[in-house]
Amino acid sequence: DAGITQSPRYKITETGRQVTLMCHQTWSHSYMFWYRQDLGHGLRLIYYSAAADITDKGEVPDGYVVSRSKTENFPLTLESATRSQTSVYFCASSQDLYEQYFGPGTRLTVT
Amino acid sequence: QQPVQSPQAVILREGEDAVINCSSSKALYSVHWYRQKHGEAPVFLMILLKGGEQKGHEKISASFNEKKQQSSLYLTASQLSYSGTYFCGTGRRTGNQFYFGTGTSLTVIP
Repeated sequence: DAGITQSPRYKITETGRQVTLMCHQTWSHSYMFWYRQDLGHGLRLIYYSAAADITDKGEVPDGYVVSRSKTENFPLTLESATRSQTSVYFCASSQDLYEQYFGPGTRLTVT
Repeated sequence: QQPVQSPQAVILREGEDAVINCSSSKALYSVHWYRQKHGEAPVFLMILLKGGEQKGHEKISASFNEKKQQSSLYLTASQLSYSGTYFCGTGRRTGNQFYFGTGTSLTVIP
């Protein structure tokens, strides 16, 4: 039972580069989320998806793009990375908007 | 929109009790509680819904005052394993209106 996985777990990239963070879940959950976690801000929602091909912005969507062509995958792309996007990124999934299951996180550093 | 948690940090001895509070300026449909240990992902503890429904782990208790838009998490007879950062999350009817608080660091010492 793999659950929810994220890749890569660690990434260092340069300012201006495009970066894609992957998220995969094996439960066929309808809902998926992307959060970023920064000291002093807690967890903030970037994007949310209610089903394949249905996505919506969260609290901090600027500079990020998502897609969801398959129920199990929800990649997050930073179109042109900036230092302010250095953070820990968590993907989560949920069947009914009650309990969210979080992936292990991706630690991204933008130099 | 971000809920406010208090206290920001608390240190307990094993066996002591603690209360963590969460309040929002917006009308709420649901309040969620998660615990995160250092370097790990948040783990679901409990959800409280408008109307009184609750779902969560048996050893965790919480309350939800809909009129005051406040929730409290009660940790009784604390154990070392309770240490971590506790987050409340507040939701509306749709998933894109979900906000986490900044967290409460709880440390249980022997």
